Amino acid sequence: QSALTQPASVSGSPGQSITISCTGTSSDVGSSNLVSWYQQHPGKAPKVMIYEGSKRPSGVSNRFSGSKSGNTASLTISGLQAEDEAEYYCCSYAGSSTYVFGAGTKVSVL
Amino acid sequence: QVQLVQSGAEMKKPGASVKISCKASGYAFSSYFMHWVRQAPGQGLEWMGIIDPSGTHTSYAQKLQGRVTVTRDTSTSSVYMELNSLRSEDTAIYYCAREPSGSGCIDFWGQGTLITVTS
Repeated sequence: QSALTQPASVSGSPGQSITISCTGTSSDVGSSNLVSWYQQHPGKAPKVMIYEGSKRPSGVSNRFSGSKSGNTASLTISGLQAEDEAEYYCCSYAGSSTYVFGAGTKVSVL
Repeated sequence: QVQLVQSGAEMKKPGASVKISCKASGYAFSSYFMHWVRQAPGQGLEWMGIIDPSGTHTSYAQKLQGRVTVTRDTSTSSVYMELNSLRSEDTAIYYCAREPSGSGCIDFWGQGTLITVTS
């Protein structure tokens, strides 16, 4: 159960769009629709932004969207805002009732 | 409102055990899976384990197998995580979190419990 691979950091200017990738294997991301994305601000508990690959919970801005292709899931933040600066983690079901998180991506708003 | 209230911070010596509690309120506790996730200082999230709504089935991260046990008590709407043979690398914030059955998504987290392992 190795951590899913995410870029360490991604940055963008206000108003731009950024995409965070999350690469796993055919045993987790590649074989599961249960991929979720979490936002974590320093000192706070994580907050779900996307679940089941592309669904947005009530209350989450439609600037956040998710997708998947093969063994890689992606989170796109459009119209980047200062409040989006945070750490982002992907999470995937990995079979046999287990889950695995990504290593995390720090998003910076320039 | 939904609440997951965890027990307080603890300091433990290497080799000791720790048991963290998480009391749920504001929702139908028996309808949700419960996860435990930890985060070492300055590090990412690490999934530890899960227990099903009935408390019958558990599953754990391979690296923690044999050291971690998750249980739940429906009568008190509480879930527990016990970690044995503590090492310095177990120093982390430990979170309990709920998952709507079958969603594969954690939709609510506890406030976290800091466990420090030091001699």
